[in-house]
Amino acid sequence: AQSVTQPDIHITVSEGASLELRCNYSYGATPYLFWYVQSPGQGLQLLLKYFSGDTLVQGIKGFEAEFKRSQSSFNLRKPSVHWSDAAEYFCAVGARNNDMRFGAGTRLTVKP
Amino acid sequence: KAGVTQTPRYLIKTRGQQVTLSCSPISGHRSVSWYQQTPGQGLQFLFEYFSETQRNKGNFPGRFSGRQFSNSRSEMNVSTLELGDSALYLCASSQLTGTSTDTQYFGPGTRLTVL
Repeated sequence: AQSVTQPDIHITVSEGASLELRCNYSYGATPYLFWYVQSPGQGLQLLLKYFSGDTLVQGIKGFEAEFKRSQSSFNLRKPSVHWSDAAEYFCAVGARNNDMRFGAGTRLTVKP
Repeated sequence: KAGVTQTPRYLIKTRGQQVTLSCSPISGHRSVSWYQQTPGQGLQFLFEYFSETQRNKGNFPGRFSGRQFSNSRSEMNVSTLELGDSALYLCASSQLTGTSTDTQYFGPGTRLTVL
């Protein structure tokens, strides 16, 4: 069965600093991988997705993620964090028939 | 194109009551999935509907049910509400052109509070 682990529950970075959020997945076949962001009280917004092809994926708001099959990872990165990036970030793995599993989420705090 | 809409946005019910939540998918999307989000359990998959048929179901009791209409709009129903059903209920839609996973787009959610 597929599963997702986000090892960091909470991360604090300074505005302007770089960011990396970790995501490890467990899945028997080639996974479909997603990163979503959720602001307080809101739904989830898709940041980026990986289905196949280039393992470095560009998303919205300056985010990117790299799929590393050998490490079963799909880490999210941003070179310079803005205060508006403070939110909760979810990594998800999808299988057939839209059966998606989400990680527990990483809450990002941005210090001025 | 309008996004996924969910109504109502907020709901307060008492234990034992039942509740119906509604979701309108993005135009052209035929798959609708429902998720429950709580601080303790995180995001959990409830069920997915495609062309008015339930295709997938998560590990929730039978009190949780849903349906999809011919226009792809979906409703979920929770009967005999319990305190633990308090959660943010999220709906997501996707085009789902085949049997593989498609990108899901989420609505803003319905916040259900059970007193």
